[in-house]
Amino acid sequence: LAKTTQPISMDSYEGQEVNITCSHNNIATNDYITWYQQFPSQGPRFIIQGYKTKVKNEVASLFIPADRKSSTLSLPRVSLSDTAVYYCLVAVGGSQGNLIFGKGTKLSVKP
Amino acid sequence: DTAVSQTPKYLVTQMGNDKSIKCEQNLGHDTMYWYKQDSKKFLKIMFSYNNKELIINETVPNRFSPKSPDKAHLNLHINSLELGDSAVYFCASSPGSGNNNQPQHFGDGTRLSIL
Repeated sequence: LAKTTQPISMDSYEGQEVNITCSHNNIATNDYITWYQQFPSQGPRFIIQGYKTKVKNEVASLFIPADRKSSTLSLPRVSLSDTAVYYCLVAVGGSQGNLIFGKGTKLSVKP
Repeated sequence: DTAVSQTPKYLVTQMGNDKSIKCEQNLGHDTMYWYKQDSKKFLKIMFSYNNKELIINETVPNRFSPKSPDKAHLNLHINSLELGDSAVYFCASSPGSGNNNQPQHFGDGTRLSIL
């Protein structure tokens, strides 16, 4: 099963771009990569998902290199409200897949 | 309206007791999950159900028994509670027939504290 590794914590300042990288060296051919955001006392919230190359939505971008052994979540111009824990999830496709969350990256945005 | 709702939000009980946590989703999703988040914030899947049928059962003590009366509900019953069961338990749901590529919607968790 693919396992993930993320930095434990990151600090940033308001207005900066933040890039959080997740390593998943054993990712399988049919695995997708999903990122979630979690605020204190709340459940994780879906941010973005991708399989390869680049995906972008109104909140973030996701960059996945050709070998798919890592992925980078990019948050443009962060604000204080982006302070949260960010999880990388590698999901094995198919009805018998297993879900493995990374240990999360605690992002602290300072004024 | 809350999409995925769990009750209770907080649960404080004695070791050895039996307790249940309820989860309901009004999103029309076919798949529901239970996760455990420990004090170190590691989020681990426990169970997954698709249309009331168990599709994922990770290495969880058999004191934990999920029950799905219909596809909108997935309750978690825990027997003989132990100190190590103290954690936040999250319920989630996703569309599709158990394909784990679908984004999940999480409840706000149930904080279980064992005295």
